[in-house]
Amino acid sequence: DQQVKQNSPSLSVQEGRISILNCDYTNSMFDYFLWYKKYPAEGPTFLISISSIKDKNEDGRFTVFLNKSAKHLSLHIVPSQPGDSAVYFCAANVNNAGNMLTFGGGTRLMVKP
Amino acid sequence: DSGVTQTPKHLITATGQRVTLRCSPRSGDLSVYWYQQSLDQGLQFLIQYYNGEERAKGNILERFSAQQFPDLHSELNLSSLELGDSALYFCASSIRGDQPQHFGDGTRLSIL
Repeated sequence: DQQVKQNSPSLSVQEGRISILNCDYTNSMFDYFLWYKKYPAEGPTFLISISSIKDKNEDGRFTVFLNKSAKHLSLHIVPSQPGDSAVYFCAANVNNAGNMLTFGGGTRLMVKP
Repeated sequence: DSGVTQTPKHLITATGQRVTLRCSPRSGDLSVYWYQQSLDQGLQFLIQYYNGEERAKGNILERFSAQQFPDLHSELNLSSLELGDSALYFCASSIRGDQPQHFGDGTRLSIL
């Protein structure tokens, strides 16, 4: 049972345009959501997070939106840069319940110059 | 550089053997987490320690065990290794459970 799903295995975007990565979850107990970026041969790097009490969090070029009623979150990258090409994972957890992260399967983003 | 150090980077061994993976968390982080990334399962949580005590357990096999030492470094022990244990093993750390986890670069374990 996949509690966190990223339905798009890959996404290709032109440099300077917006990249939108999507993530769906099924566990209504999740109250903290994170996005990680992963380059080959490296560990996941934390990008941005959002608590379930918010519906938007912004950090520079990265914005995460949370729609609790739809159990959906998205990561927007504006403008996209070639260095953003990587695999992006969304993750979720239930605070105060062990804090183990449940990851989606990842989306490979390719930003073309 | 996340500040989380994992050794070794690569490990090649045979079925039935035992290995130990080591993790040094970021300075000041009390929580350590272990994850397994295999081709067909994605990133799966194994176990969490907080200040030396086990805090949470995921789908960790009985053949696997872990501990966190007084200096906060952690070791993941994998025994009676099987071909299916071949995977990337990541360690992560955080200051507290409600803060983002920061990952090391992983140990790639190959079972021949």
